[in-house]
Amino acid sequence: TQLLEQSPQFLSIQEGENLTVYCNSSSVFSSLQWYRQEPGEGPVLLVTVVTGGEVKKLKRLTFQFGDARKDSSLHITAAQPGDTGLYLCAGVNNDMRFGAGTRLTVKP
Amino acid sequence: GAVVSQHPSRVICKSGTSVKIECRSLDFQATTMFWYRQFPKQSLMLMATSNEGSKATYEQGVEKDKFLINHASLTLSTLTVTSAHPEDSSFYICSVPETYSTDTQYFGPGTRLTVL
Repeated sequence: TQLLEQSPQFLSIQEGENLTVYCNSSSVFSSLQWYRQEPGEGPVLLVTVVTGGEVKKLKRLTFQFGDARKDSSLHITAAQPGDTGLYLCAGVNNDMRFGAGTRLTVKP
Repeated sequence: GAVVSQHPSRVICKSGTSVKIECRSLDFQATTMFWYRQFPKQSLMLMATSNEGSKATYEQGVEKDKFLINHASLTLSTLTVTSAHPEDSSFYICSVPETYSTDTQYFGPGTRLTVL
């Protein structure tokens, strides 16, 4: 059983479209992180959200932490082929637990 | 950010042999390192926490006698997969937490293990 549920598992869209990826849990986390992983490489940290309700923007990426600190979303505006990858959320308490990931493909 | 290296990046071995994977923290000393395993198209699963100078802490379901962890120095942790079998084939990734905080971890590039 996955502590963190991510949806959708797979997403294939055209360049220029918007998308939202969700990360849900029944557990409360002190912080939540989003990573992007390319094939054959380790995950790279995109953002850390700490406060319930917090919204962080990273260029075309918008991250939101739920008020109860149990869930989070990642919204990408005007997706580009370079956004293709595996997006992982990770909940942090005393350790770090990863969701199953959302595999995004952006077609030119 | 910190740089974490892993060696080798890829290894192919025969069933029954043992394989050692190294994880090095190049920027700062680490009393703790984490080892993860990632099967194809799946997420990272924490295997164990490597502790410098003491025994590793293993997650439930991870065989400590099969996955030997040694954290002999503040910059090096090794994971040895003993008597490897095809089902051990996976992507093994280590991470180094930032000093005084596990909230920020720096991940290595991973090691792809294929057991024939």
